[in-house]
This record gives sequence, C-alpha cells and structure tokens, in this order.
Amino acid sequence: DAEITQSPRHKITETGRQVTLACHQTWNHNNMFWYRQDLGHGLRLIHYSYGVQDTNKGEVSDGYSVSRSNTEDLPLTLESAASSQTSVYFCASSEMQGGEQFFGPGTRLTVL
Amino acid sequence: KNQVEQSPQSLIILEGKNCTLQCNYTVSPFSNLRWYKQDTGRGPVSLTIMTFSENTKSNGRYTATLDADTKQSSLHITASQLSDSASYICVVTRDMRFGAGTRLTVKP
Repeated sequence: DAEITQSPRHKITETGRQVTLACHQTWNHNNMFWYRQDLGHGLRLIHYSYGVQDTNKGEVSDGYSVSRSNTEDLPLTLESAASSQTSVYFCASSEMQGGEQFFGPGTRLTVL
Repeated sequence: KNQVEQSPQSLIILEGKNCTLQCNYTVSPFSNLRWYKQDTGRGPVSLTIMTFSENTKSNGRYTATLDADTKQSSLHITASQLSDSASYICVVTRDMRFGAGTRLTVKP
C-alpha cells in the first residue's frame, strides 16, 4: 500500500546544530508539504513543493530549508536549530493542489 | 493573525451524545474548506470537504455544514463513540490555513 513516512520519529538536538528531517511518500504525488504543530497554534505551513526542483516558502519558513530532487522525498533542514523550533513536524502530500493531503506520523523535535 | 478560528477549544461529552464544532474563517476568496480528524500522536486524516456551493455533506455520523455568506462551517457528530475522541481541525485549502482545532473527549 502507498504511504508517507517520516524519520526520525523523535529527535533531541542542541542549539546551533543542523538537523534534517526526512519525508518519503510512495503515492507519486507531485505536491508535498511541511508543517509544524504547536499547542494553541494549529498546523502552520513551513515550506511546500509542487514538483521536482520546485520549492516555496510558507507562513513560518525562517530558519528552515527544503530541496526536492525527486518526486518521493522532501527533506526539511534546520540550518541552525533554535529552542523556538522545538515542535512536532508533519509532512504531507497531495495528488492535486488544494486536494486532500495525506499526512505522515510526525516527528517530535526537541532543541535543548 | 490566524484567519481560521475554531470553537470551542475543548469539549467533553458522554458517549452516545451529539455535539457540534464550529469553524469561522476570514480567508478570501474562498476555495473550499476541509475538516480533518487527528488522533493523539498521529497525523490528521480528512473527514470531509466543503466546496463554495455546498451547504451540507455527510460522512457516516459526521455532518459538515457551510454558510459561505457568514463564513462559518460546523461539524456535527451524532451518537458519539469513544473512538471519536480526537482533535478536529478545519482548514481553508486555498491558503492552507489551519484552525487550532477542537479537542473532543468522549467519556463512557
């Protein structure tokens, strides 16, 4: 069955370190998204991609970057982790722009 | 400012009872609005989508309504079950603006 996976599921890192969160989907969806979820804020869009080599900034993109070298993967990189980036991160993909998004299980990131 | 507001923030009901969750949005122009269910520790899963021209849509015990004039949507859950305990999130898909969600707890 097609699916979307994230790794690692839990990560503890130190302030200033570079961290990369992986997202892999097997639906062959062109559209992929990264969100962070914090108490009281709901899901907030970090970056998104509508296809290979395409990346776009979302609402809260500062301090994050993505690259899309193939259809299946959209890794999220924190260039220099900050405590404010402690959060739960969700990756999602969709077949159509504006269509139903299928979410991964999430990565809980703690920055000490 | 979050352009999608949900109420209440949390709700506790007894098993078998009905409840209604509210979603108000200010995103314009409007494309469509989707309701997601998020179980604790998992990613959201779509329940239903409302387009501009739709007023009501049902998915089993879940019924969503949309009033595009007042920019309000509601999700009604009938005959609640323990498995309905989750967060319910509405999102206006044009800008991918998510509400903060309503945390529903169904007690036996």
